[in-house]
Amino acid sequence: RKEVEQDPGPFNVPEGATVAFNCTYSNSASQSFFWYRQDCRKEPKLLMSVYSSGNEDGRFTAQLNRASQYISLLIRDSKLSDSATYLCVVNSNSNYQLIWGAGTKLIIKP
Amino acid sequence: EAGVTQSPTHLIKTRGQQATLRCSPISGHTSVYWYQQALGLGLQFLLWYDEGEERNRGNFPPRFSGRQFPNYSSELNVNALELEDSALYLCASAEDNGSPLHFGNGTRLTVT
Repeated sequence: RKEVEQDPGPFNVPEGATVAFNCTYSNSASQSFFWYRQDCRKEPKLLMSVYSSGNEDGRFTAQLNRASQYISLLIRDSKLSDSATYLCVVNSNSNYQLIWGAGTKLIIKP
Repeated sequence: EAGVTQSPTHLIKTRGQQATLRCSPISGHTSVYWYQQALGLGLQFLLWYDEGEERNRGNFPPRFSGRQFPNYSSELNVNALELEDSALYLCASAEDNGSPLHFGNGTRLTVT
């Protein structure tokens, strides 16, 4: 089993819809969690950190479920500009190594 | 505040040559990470430097090496270039362990 797993997609979603991604991790001692977005041939950009209590930033909501060892990202009222690959990142904690998921590709259609 | 800067933006080399890529972290960040991303693929961890020391390296051959300088800038060296080394090389910095990474724009290396 991979340390961090994501559905590779692509998710094809109409503009205005709500879309949710999950990311599972294997190390129960992991402490830090992040979501990044990466546009084609560009560098990843931090979207949001994921806190234990869950957190929201505009149309984006991130949640952590420690019992089931997954984090989620919800995008409401999706825009064409949301089309990108979404990467989850988990801190392995054993050596502070950040483990990256392979990413989920999102395509928002007009 | 200046972000992570990488140079050069593009680099074209021939097989067997050596490439040097440079990275300056965000001011105050002591950790520097290097990743390789081949076209259409995910990020592959290369190296992690913190406070001038190599903390961890990914599953890459020894011809991939680097160092971190006292001012926390870093250099990635790739010797004996192979065609499959063609990729986007991304540098990222972090304030401390557990903090999110902030990436530079990358160096696109093409080996012909």
